[in-house]
Amino acid sequence: DAMVIQNPRYQVTQFGKPVTLSCSQTLNHNVMYWYQQKSSQAPKLLFHYYDKDFNNEADTPDNFQSRRPNTSFCFLDIRSPGLGDAAMYLCATSRGDRGQSEQFFGPGTRLTVL
Amino acid sequence: GQSLEQPSEVTAVEGAIVQINCTYQTSGFYGLSWYQQHDGGAPTFLSYNGLDGLEETGRFSSFLSRSDSYGYLLLQELQMKDSASYFCAVRDRNFNKFYFGSGTKLNVKP
Repeated sequence: DAMVIQNPRYQVTQFGKPVTLSCSQTLNHNVMYWYQQKSSQAPKLLFHYYDKDFNNEADTPDNFQSRRPNTSFCFLDIRSPGLGDAAMYLCATSRGDRGQSEQFFGPGTRLTVL
Repeated sequence: GQSLEQPSEVTAVEGAIVQINCTYQTSGFYGLSWYQQHDGGAPTFLSYNGLDGLEETGRFSSFLSRSDSYGYLLLQELQMKDSASYFCAVRDRNFNKFYFGSGTKLNVKP
């Protein structure tokens, strides 16, 4: 089945220790997104790629970076995680044309910062 | 910027109908989506309105009034498995950007 895959599902890191979360998709979608979701809150858009075109949200901290080496893969790098970065990180994809509105989400990576 | 408001929690009984409202303020609007998220799970797409009016998909319907900056999700014949959080999301004028509301937790009781 075509899908969005996130690895790992659970990640524990130490305060200040860089961490990378990964996302892959078999849908061949043009757009890939990273969202941060804290407990009982809305998913917050961090950034998205349209193909290789990177779009950062104005309020995304510099501590968060992303890479998309090819259509299928996208990475979220947190350079120096703080306690406040503990959250669920959701990757999503969409086709990227006006006529298709659906986003497809991966299962998420739950990040714990010790 | 984008601002969306939803009720934080709604409770209803099995078999009933429930409406979850969403009002938004946005600098650019292209459409309104609805997502369901069970505890510990990922959001899954339910419905989308790009134009005013009602969209129906099985037991779920969604409505949009762009002039009122308002939409709602209607769930009919509620089932226990409908207990989840429901998010509205504005699709930005840059049609590839989506901004989520804070979510409404729906509790379905027997």
